[in-house]
Amino acid sequence: GQQLNQSPQSMFIQEGEDVSMNCTSSSIFNTWLWYKQEPGEGPVLLIALYKAGELTSNGRLTAQFGITRKDSFLNISASIPSDVGIYFCAWDSNYQLIWGAGTKLIIKP
Amino acid sequence: SAVISQKPSRDICQRGTSLTIQCQVDSQVTMMFWYRQQPGQSLTLIATANQGSEATYESGFVIDKFPISRPNLTFSTLTVSNMSPEDSSIYLCSVEDDGRSSTDTQYFGPGTRLTVL
Repeated sequence: GQQLNQSPQSMFIQEGEDVSMNCTSSSIFNTWLWYKQEPGEGPVLLIALYKAGELTSNGRLTAQFGITRKDSFLNISASIPSDVGIYFCAWDSNYQLIWGAGTKLIIKP
Repeated sequence: SAVISQKPSRDICQRGTSLTIQCQVDSQVTMMFWYRQQPGQSLTLIATANQGSEATYESGFVIDKFPISRPNLTFSTLTVSNMSPEDSSIYLCSVEDDGRSSTDTQYFGPGTRLTVL
């Protein structure tokens, strides 16, 4: 079946640093979705990408749909404490979401 | 986006008992989904629940263990039956956008954290 490889598994950074994470797939995807999940909450959609090469921003977040349609990255600029959480990439396959394993972001005080 | 609530938010249950989790949406949606998220893991789809039809279960999940109801377009329940400690997880419902935006995306409830002793 379809598989998403997400990396890194976790990031331990200083406040103010930029963050980059990515997902790759073995197959061509038509969508890439990026979600954030905070402790005790459900995932919240951050950015949705639907076209190869698409670059979309949401505040300090920027995500791109790779031109090969097999990868996507999410960047967070100038991280702040409320950015902590787990970031998931996901692919919308005929209403079913296929999920990456998540990237846990921890910010040093 | 749709506003989704779940009840209970958390529960601690005894082995062998059953728990029914409720999911309420603030608007009518066609497709609702139930996910399980085990500690430290990603989300796994349990089943898709459409109003007026039987739920569709994913591989590894069966109706006897996870019966689902979908009585109308704003509400669904998931029951975790005959629970064991392995059922300890977060259970999340989600809905498909239903065309209110130009793209179809899923929105999630806050989850129900279940601990089975």
